[in-house]
Amino acid sequence: SYVLTQPPSVSVAPGKTARITCGGNNIGSKSVHWYQQKPGQAPVLVIYYDSDRPSGIPERFSGSNSGNTATLTISRVEAGDEADYYCQVWDSSSDHVFGTGTKVTVL
Amino acid sequence: EVQLVESGGGLVQPGGSLRLSCAASGFTFSSYWMHWVRQAPGKGLVWVSRINSDGSSTSYADSVKGRFTISRDNAKNTLYLQMNSLRAEDTAVYYCARAPPTDYWYFDLWGRGTLVTVSS
Repeated sequence: SYVLTQPPSVSVAPGKTARITCGGNNIGSKSVHWYQQKPGQAPVLVIYYDSDRPSGIPERFSGSNSGNTATLTISRVEAGDEADYYCQVWDSSSDHVFGTGTKVTVL
Repeated sequence: EVQLVESGGGLVQPGGSLRLSCAASGFTFSSYWMHWVRQAPGKGLVWVSRINSDGSSTSYADSVKGRFTISRDNAKNTLYLQMNSLRAEDTAVYYCARAPPTDYWYFDLWGRGTLVTVSS
């Protein structure tokens, strides 16, 4: 089965940049999607197809994908960005796969 | 308003059954593939099952195959998940999620979830 690995936590000061990685075997050949989940709430799509943003998602959120690592970048981090973030891909042998999740803490 | 609202969760004994529902509104439900995703307490997201727009095709995670059945009623704008032979490890919040039409690879709308607790 296909496995996506994320760091358990990332800490960042307000106004700085947070980078959340998602590692998987040759993930650069797949399309990666990212979700934000705040405590007690449903996930929200923040990036799809590696780097596209849904309407309503701030430009501060961006994504990239190459080789064995995809990255979600949050620029000019705000207190409201504190949440869990999950990457997700579709794999022909595993169907939909989510990453292990990263908790972003704003210092 | 475009939304998904799950219901049907609760406390059930191991080996028991439960049927979850997901009511869709604000969009043309019959045009979308739909999914169930679950999240055990304090854990990450796990995909459970999906159904295509007319209900003719389904898929399941290995962990629930043979025990869970996904279905839909497009006339009622409702998605279902019949869960049988429940185990303690099925305890989770169950979310229904929508995949965009003709773009099946991610989830652009989620419900708030319903909690299923399997315990004696």
